[in-house]
Amino acid sequence: QTVVTQEPSLSVSPGGTVTLTCGLSSGSVSSTYNPSWYQQIPGQAPRTLIYSTSTRSSGVPHRFSGSILGNTAALTITGAQANDEADYYCVLYMGRGIWVFGGGTRLAVL
Amino acid sequence: QLQLQESGPGLVKPSETLSLTCSVSGGSISSNSHYWAWVRQPPGKGLEYIGTIHQSGVTYYNPSLKSRVTISIDKSKNQFSLNLASMTAADTAVYYCARLLVLTATDYFDFWGQGTPVTVSS
Repeated sequence: QTVVTQEPSLSVSPGGTVTLTCGLSSGSVSSTYNPSWYQQIPGQAPRTLIYSTSTRSSGVPHRFSGSILGNTAALTITGAQANDEADYYCVLYMGRGIWVFGGGTRLAVL
Repeated sequence: QLQLQESGPGLVKPSETLSLTCSVSGGSISSNSHYWAWVRQPPGKGLEYIGTIHQSGVTYYNPSLKSRVTISIDKSKNQFSLNLASMTAADTAVYYCARLLVLTATDYFDFWGQGTPVTVSS
């Protein structure tokens, strides 16, 4: 079974830039997987950030951007703020009605 | 604004079947562009896709749970439901319902419920 991989944890300084990646245990991620990204503050429901690789969901600040970086999908936060400290999940569509979540990245802003 | 609200028991005994309902307000569950999904999150762990249903009745399930999962839809009540059989402690989690927008070359979870915690214990 294909596993969607993410960095377990990352840190960024306030005002800094950080890139989170979303890969596959076997193969490369491309836009055909329709990568989407979700932010989850502990104790809260997920919030949609990015869909279709790079489209920001309504109300999402421009400091969040999505792309394909090499063989992974990527979420870049430019000018990180304290309230960006959260867990971030990517989702890939595997076809046949199967969506797979990555394991999540815990981002610390410090 | 679309709202989704999960409801159901917070405590289930081992081997029993979990039944949860998601009530949809502010929009129709009969939309052709949307699927209706269940996602869960065990304590301290990541999110896991359980399955989805379309208003046509088409369902898709996570292969790892397929043998125990049934998702159904009640368009008259604007609700959809999850049944998960043979519950064990490993099924203890927060269960979320969500709307999945599915278009050509686009699919993503665009609205989420607040989640309901379920504990499996005797």
